[in-house]
Amino acid sequence: DAGVIQSPRHEVTEMGQEVTLRCKPISGHDYLFWYRQTMMRGLELLIYFNNNVPIDDSGMPEDRFSAKMPNASFSTLKIQPSEPRDSAVYFCASSYGGSRTPYGYTFGSGTRLTVV
Amino acid sequence: ILNVEQSPQSLHVQEGDSTNFTCSFPSSNFYALHWYRWETAKSPEALFVMTLNGDEKKKGRISATLNTKEGYSYLYIKGSQPEDSATYLCARNSGGSNYKLTFGKGTLLTVNP
Repeated sequence: DAGVIQSPRHEVTEMGQEVTLRCKPISGHDYLFWYRQTMMRGLELLIYFNNNVPIDDSGMPEDRFSAKMPNASFSTLKIQPSEPRDSAVYFCASSYGGSRTPYGYTFGSGTRLTVV
Repeated sequence: ILNVEQSPQSLHVQEGDSTNFTCSFPSSNFYALHWYRWETAKSPEALFVMTLNGDEKKKGRISATLNTKEGYSYLYIKGSQPEDSATYLCARNSGGSNYKLTFGKGTLLTVNP
């Protein structure tokens, strides 16, 4: 398996533009997580899905952020309009919930977003 | 303790030194404690998942212990090597959820040759 695949690796955009981040989880994993990493807050959970259904989006900063998972192999995180304070590294991770023992996450390589 | 806290924030050691750092977490509604290793410009990689009080896990020169009653875990590295330089993250399954992890901010380890 190629692991969790995120695209793009780097994104530089102007304030006010729409940004879409993409994630392909590991086949067979039924949980998908979006995290944001900043110096101040570390890794923050934004939203997670189970079997393509959003379970907890309490970490989504505001209405400018939205996430979808139309099928088991694809998820997007969209920011519209983007602001400089959204600059961060965004990680996608997937996991398997069917194990009897707790299962760790597999992280993607992250998308480094810079909003200028 | 309300959140997952790690100490120290950063650490510099010489090659060959043994070292350890701490993860503290809320002990109520405990399910599992995870350790991850995160090298610069890469993504976090899972090291250990521990569930039982008194659990000890080992992978090569790295080992971890768990105390769920008092809410802490230690990560030990024996004979540090430059390639051990990374940020070590711990994470706890958030109360009641088997799958949602709350991460600490990590301990940045630098091993000098």
